[in-house]
Amino acid sequence: DAKTTQPNSMESNEEEPVHLPCNHSTISGTDYIHWYRQLPSQGPEYVIHGLTSNVNNRMASLAIAEDRKSSTLILHRATLRDAAVYYCILRDVYNNNDMRFGAGTRLTVKP
Amino acid sequence: NAGVTQTPKFQVLKTGQSMTLQCAQDMNHEYMSWYRQDPGMGLRLIHYSVGAGITDQGEVPNGYNVSRSTTEDFPLRLLSAAPSQTSVYFCASSYEGTKYSPLHFGNGTRLTVT
Repeated sequence: DAKTTQPNSMESNEEEPVHLPCNHSTISGTDYIHWYRQLPSQGPEYVIHGLTSNVNNRMASLAIAEDRKSSTLILHRATLRDAAVYYCILRDVYNNNDMRFGAGTRLTVKP
Repeated sequence: NAGVTQTPKFQVLKTGQSMTLQCAQDMNHEYMSWYRQDPGMGLRLIHYSVGAGITDQGEVPNGYNVSRSTTEDFPLRLLSAAPSQTSVYFCASSYEGTKYSPLHFGNGTRLTVT
């Protein structure tokens, strides 16, 4: 299975942009890149996903490197409510039922 | 629309006891799964199901049983609880187990085995 590598933790100031990196050097052509986040004492929630092109939604943007070996989740203006653990996950088209999470990046947002 | 509902929220068991963690979803999702999360770690997949009557093992299935008799429900059974099964358990569902469908998670069951 293709794996992902994320920093254990990151800090940001409130109302500033945050760039959360993810390395996936062994990604295959059929892997989609998914991001989830987990707020304290809650289950994870979906943030965004993409394949090759950059993606935007109301929560965040996803920037995918041209060689697809890395991606970056961008929160345009961090708020205190964005403090969470962020998970980067690869989901294979052909084996997409077995979805595994790593340890993620714990984002701290300072007022 | 309740989404994914897990019961109970908290449970304490003694070693060797059995119990069932309940998970129900009202979104008519075909795909359901169970994860466990240990302190400071990410989620690990226990079992999953792609539809009623179909289940499969994930990364850490030992000590757990599942069945899927209806689309709505996916209970997780601990046959003989062990302290190593102390964890937070999350149930998730999606429209189908595909690359397009985001997972919807419940709020978890915190289990302590003494």
